[in-house]
Amino acid sequence: DGGITQSPKYLFRKEGQNVTLSCEQNLNHDAMYWYRQDPGQGLRLIYYSQIVNDFQKGDIAEGYSVSREKKESFPLTVTSAQKNPTAFYLCASSSGTSGSNEQFFGPGTRLTVL
Amino acid sequence: GENVEQHPSTLSVQEGDSAVIKCTYSDSASNYFPWYKQELGKRPQLIIDIRSNVGEKKDQRIAVTLNKTAKHFSLHITETQPEDSAVYFCAASYSWGKLQFGAGTQVVVTP
Repeated sequence: DGGITQSPKYLFRKEGQNVTLSCEQNLNHDAMYWYRQDPGQGLRLIYYSQIVNDFQKGDIAEGYSVSREKKESFPLTVTSAQKNPTAFYLCASSSGTSGSNEQFFGPGTRLTVL
Repeated sequence: GENVEQHPSTLSVQEGDSAVIKCTYSDSASNYFPWYKQELGKRPQLIIDIRSNVGEKKDQRIAVTLNKTAKHFSLHITETQPEDSAVYFCAASYSWGKLQFGAGTQVVVTP
């Protein structure tokens, strides 16, 4: 289970606040991803990055922002524009740009809006 | 884009019986189909995957079959055990390196 970490494990946000979720990997993977998981639903892609200094919007990018300044790090900011941010957030990484590479997941951050 | 449908949403089986979960996908270009197991509050973990040049793959009590013509793939778990209880997700690759996930199947194995 090692290799990709997320922090914090639990995060509480007040209305109107921006919060940043950390994701770090030491697997030397080029690609990194952020997913949102809501109860009873599958994983939905927020943002992904194929390489350092490049990232693309996924299916539900509105209200979120990311950066990829280092290969091992892909932080996600949940902005006040995200109207319903309470969810379980999962970061993942994979080794390359091929469509058939396994994605490894971090342990997740559970975000709750107070 | 890709659309993945997964059935059933819940599956109750008695210990020792088999469990089957089915998924369909829409993008004929998809070539990678992983299955993940997620226990409550934990991260999804890959249990088996299959690529489009293979029709079936087995790993001990777990098997996956792929029918590219019909665009569906299935997970088979034999001799189920209580520790198999979890949520299972199928996924299909699309575009570049991205995965489209099914909505998940809650499997409950009763002793």
